[in-house]
Amino acid sequence: EVQLEESGGGLVQPGESLRLSCVASGFTFSDHKMDWVRQAPGKGLEWVARSRDKGSDYSTEYAASVKGRFTISRDDSKSSLYLQMDSLKAEDTAMYYCVRKHHGMDVWGQGTTVTVSS
Amino acid sequence: QYVLTQTPSVSAAPGQTGTISCSGDSFNIGKNFVSWYQQIPGTAPKLLIYENNKRPSGIPDRFSGSKSGTSATLGITGLQTGDEADYYCGTWDDSLSSWVFGDGTKLTVL
Repeated sequence: EVQLEESGGGLVQPGESLRLSCVASGFTFSDHKMDWVRQAPGKGLEWVARSRDKGSDYSTEYAASVKGRFTISRDDSKSSLYLQMDSLKAEDTAMYYCVRKHHGMDVWGQGTTVTVSS
Repeated sequence: QYVLTQTPSVSAAPGQTGTISCSGDSFNIGKNFVSWYQQIPGTAPKLLIYENNKRPSGIPDRFSGSKSGTSATLGITGLQTGDEADYYCGTWDDSLSSWVFGDGTKLTVL
C-alpha cells in the first residue's frame, strides 16, 4: 500500500525552529518529486515547498512566504522527506501535509500539526 | 493572495450536476496542466483530476475536468450527499516558480 506518514509537529514559540519528517512506503521514493502543503485552521490549501528527484538534480522550490526560513530535503536511502522550519511565525500555524507529486498530487499523508504561539 | 480564483460556493440537489470553475492567467493555467482535489472536512485532500481531464484509478466517471485558455472546470454529475466537500484546483505558475492552489469551493448537496 502506498503511504506517507508525517511526524515532528508540535507547539513552539515564535522565532523557534521545528523539523518535520515524512516516511514513504509502498513505492520507489527516489523516483518522485515530493512536496509539502499546509492548511491553516479554517483556511485553504497552501503549497510550501518541492523537492525534485535525482533526475532533476534534487532541485528545490519554495513559496515566497517561507523562502529563506524553510528548507526542504530528502534522504532517498531512508525514503524520507524533511522540512526544516526556522524563524517560525504565528502565521505558520497549520496542518502540514507530505505529498507525492506524480500525476497531480496523487498521494497525501494524514498531516502533522504545527502551532506557533507564545 | 490566491493566484487562482474559484467560485466560493456551489449548491445543487442530489442527482443534479455541479460545476466548479477555476480562473487563472497565462503563466499558470494558460501554460500548465490543472489538477483538482476534494477535501472532506477533517481529512486529507484527495486527487480527483490530473492533467486537466484525467481521472486516477478509483475515481468515478461522474467527475470530469476540462480546460480552456486560462480557465478550468470541474464537473460532477449525479451529485450525492457524499460529494459534499471543499474542492481545490491547482497548477504550476511559471512566473512565481511555485505551485498555486485556488481559494477553494464549498460544494453543498441539498
